[in-house]
Amino acid sequence: AQKITQTQPGMFVQEKEAVTLDCTYDTSDQSYGLFWYKQPSSGEMIFLIYQGSYDEQNATEGRYSLNFQKARKSANLVISASQLGDSAMYFCAMRATNTGNQFYFGTGTSLTVIP
Amino acid sequence: EAGVAQSPRYKIIEKRQSVAFWCNPISGHATLYWYQQILGQGPKLLIQFQNNGVVDDSQLPKDRFSAERLKGVDSTLKIQPAKLEDSAVYLCASGSIAGGAYNEQFFGPGTRLTVL
Repeated sequence: AQKITQTQPGMFVQEKEAVTLDCTYDTSDQSYGLFWYKQPSSGEMIFLIYQGSYDEQNATEGRYSLNFQKARKSANLVISASQLGDSAMYFCAMRATNTGNQFYFGTGTSLTVIP
Repeated sequence: EAGVAQSPRYKIIEKRQSVAFWCNPISGHATLYWYQQILGQGPKLLIQFQNNGVVDDSQLPKDRFSAERLKGVDSTLKIQPAKLEDSAVYLCASGSIAGGAYNEQFFGPGTRLTVL
């Protein structure tokens, strides 16, 4: 069975500082993808970044980077130079090709950026 | 490119009433997902379509929930009769089938359902 764990219900970060949001996953599949989504108070899920299980380098997208440690089964999101607009819920998700391409989401982390 | 459209955005009903939600995916996307997101939780997959066929509906409460995607394009999700615990945001997402493990989902704005 696939499982995503986010152990930080809430996080605070000072504006312009970096913050790391934790995500661990459990799967027996060899081929899978890891995703991070942002959900602001408006409710829409916004795709941030993707990491494939066979990717050797950590993914980066602007201020977002994914710290992928395959042996530890962790895929932490790092947001650099936090902005007030980064305040939102953040969800880690996994998709495994051998399980019908279903997405499994974690419970989310609420990030608050303090001015 | 137009995004995933959902309607209505908000719905308030009393328990035991029926309700339907509509989703129009991004043009050309073969895969369509319906999720239920209860306040404070992550989205839970209810049903996944590929074209007009069901890929996974293992978490759909079939005694009260139904969904269809007759022409492989837009989809409707129905709840009949609604219960208090159905209060949630219902998210629709779509994606292409190309790309293997990388297949980003694009989400709609969601429908917030309140059951009184």
